[in-house]
Order: sequence, then structure tokens, then C-alpha cells
Amino acid sequence: ETGVTQSPTHLIKTRGQQVTLRCSSQSGHNTVSWYQQALGQGPQFIFQYYREEENGRGNFPPRFSGLQFPNYSSELNVNALELDDSALYLCASSPIGDEQFFGPGTRLTVL
Amino acid sequence: AQSVTQPDIHITVSEGASLELRCNYSYGATPYLFWYVQSPGQGLQLLLKYFSGDTLVQGIKGFEAEFKRSQSSFNLRKPSVHWSDAAEYFCAVGRSGGYQKVTFGTGTKLQVIP
Repeated sequence: ETGVTQSPTHLIKTRGQQVTLRCSSQSGHNTVSWYQQALGQGPQFIFQYYREEENGRGNFPPRFSGLQFPNYSSELNVNALELDDSALYLCASSPIGDEQFFGPGTRLTVL
Repeated sequence: AQSVTQPDIHITVSEGASLELRCNYSYGATPYLFWYVQSPGQGLQLLLKYFSGDTLVQGIKGFEAEFKRSQSSFNLRKPSVHWSDAAEYFCAVGRSGGYQKVTFGTGTKLQVIP
């Protein structure tokens, strides 16, 4: 069984650019959650998608947006990048209301 | 609003010694509590969870945690630490339904010395 995968592994962008991060869910999981983990911090909940609809959102501005596709894979889009967006972005998939399984993350650096 | 406090940023223990990592939470209703471990370059792995029932929860890798409602605590313990346990440990609290909008603590980094 394939676990949660994320791409790319690392990414470098400059301020003001836009970025798209991708997540492939574990087989049979219909829910995807995204988290931002700044250096030395715990993960912070960005949002969750269930059956292609946003199903909860944390305290992040609208320039953080997402999509979930019919195969339950997901994208996180961040517009107008800021230096503080530099972080590890984690994706977690699960059946709704059940244990989350995390991917290895995408390390985003904004210069 | 829910929150989690892990008062110890860094802990060093000798291999074979016992371990206790502290976690205090704030949540208005019955909490759903978790402990995760993160090794360098890895994602988070769930060690154990508490939803209801027995307040002493057994997890993987020989870890256990005890839920104490009166103290709003959910401390993680292991009787004998192995060098491979060196990692960062996160306590987290979730809403009713468990996994929606999970709030994590800032983590405790565990160093194991020979």
C-alpha cells in the first residue's frame, strides 16, 4: 500500500511569486489536511478537504487556497509569497473522522 | 480556542533511562489527544491517541500516555529509552470528531546519550 506522497521535496521561490504544492493521498482516504510547520514550531492547520470541498480552515489568509481532485489528491496554492511563508508544508490524508497519515512534506524557501 | 503547551523544548536522557514528556492542553469540551513523533526529514507518525475510556493509553514503540482531566495533562512516558527514540515529539489536541483542525504544541526535542 502506497503511503502519502508529496511533491516537490524542496522548492525555492522569491517574494511575490506563486507556488503549488501537491499531495497524493493514501489509497482509500477521502480527506486531506494541510499543515504549515515553521522552523522550530509545531505544525499549524491550514485547511482540510473532504470530497473536493473545503471542510474547515485555520487562521491563514485567503492567498492560501487548495483543491482536491476526484481521485482525492490535493494541491495547496500560495499566492504573493512572503518571507514568512518559508516552512515545511505537510499533507495528511485519512478516511473522514479517522487517523491521519502524514507525508514527508515539502520544504519551501522564500527569498 | 484549543491550545497545547509543551513546556520542555529540549530533553536529554541516557539510553535505558525512563522518559516523561509533558503536555498540557486547553479545550472546552472532551478533548481528543494525540502524541506524534517526527524524525529528521520525516513526516509525523502517530504514537498514540486518546478519545475516551481508559485514561492510560498504550501506543507503538513502547510508549504510553496518561490523560488527567483534573490537571489538563496528557504526558507521554517510556520506561526505557533507546537511541532510536531520538526525535521531536509533538502533543496535539483535536475537536470532537477527532481529526478536524488538530492543534499541535511546539514540540519537545529528545536527545539520547549513551
